[in-house]
Amino acid sequence: SAVISQKPSRDICQRGTSLTIQCQVDSQVTMMFWYRQQPGQSLTLIATANQGSEATYESGFVIDKFPISRPNLTFSTLTVSNMSPEDSSIYLCSVRRQGSGELFFGEGSRLTVL
Amino acid sequence: AQKVTQAQTEISVVEKEDVTLDCVYETRDTTYYLFWYKQPPSGELVFLIRRNSFDEQNEISGRYSWNFQKSTSSFNFTITASQVVDSAVYFCALEDSSYKLIFGSGTRLLVRP
Repeated sequence: SAVISQKPSRDICQRGTSLTIQCQVDSQVTMMFWYRQQPGQSLTLIATANQGSEATYESGFVIDKFPISRPNLTFSTLTVSNMSPEDSSIYLCSVRRQGSGELFFGEGSRLTVL
Repeated sequence: AQKVTQAQTEISVVEKEDVTLDCVYETRDTTYYLFWYKQPPSGELVFLIRRNSFDEQNEISGRYSWNFQKSTSSFNFTITASQVVDSAVYFCALEDSSYKLIFGSGTRLLVRP
């Protein structure tokens, strides 16, 4: 399996601030995704992080709110901008290793917005 | 539209009982993949299985087994002789043609000692 490190693992944030979550993978991966899991809910895809180009966002998610970077094949960041309590969720990074169909997840970043 | 339904929101069993978690999916794709993940209380998602739509053979891995039936669009997951450590939320997911996962709502399994 791929080793995926996410930082921070958890944070408590104030309304109106922004937080950047980092996802580091131990090897090069073709595809990286960001998911959100709201309390007690299932996972919803936010966007696909594309290396060297702009991320591809799902319906209901916009770049201004969730800017994503992916400077290389092992690293990506997701920023949650201008946070409100509704953004309190677990944010998970997911990767697909080259040549494998398996999709692995990081341990998640649990954000609480006050 | 692509959709995954896990009708059982919560299941409670006593240790050593067998338990089956249901998963029904909808897709128009002829080639697709189905996944199961486990999410223990700690929150991480643990990959359990990925199954190709062309492979309808049942799979067994230790106490875990999966029954894939294309005719009923179901991919059910059975835990044999359940243990307390099996307590978690289990998600079934469908991979679409652009490699994105569509998750079911999850089934919370509680195994009581």
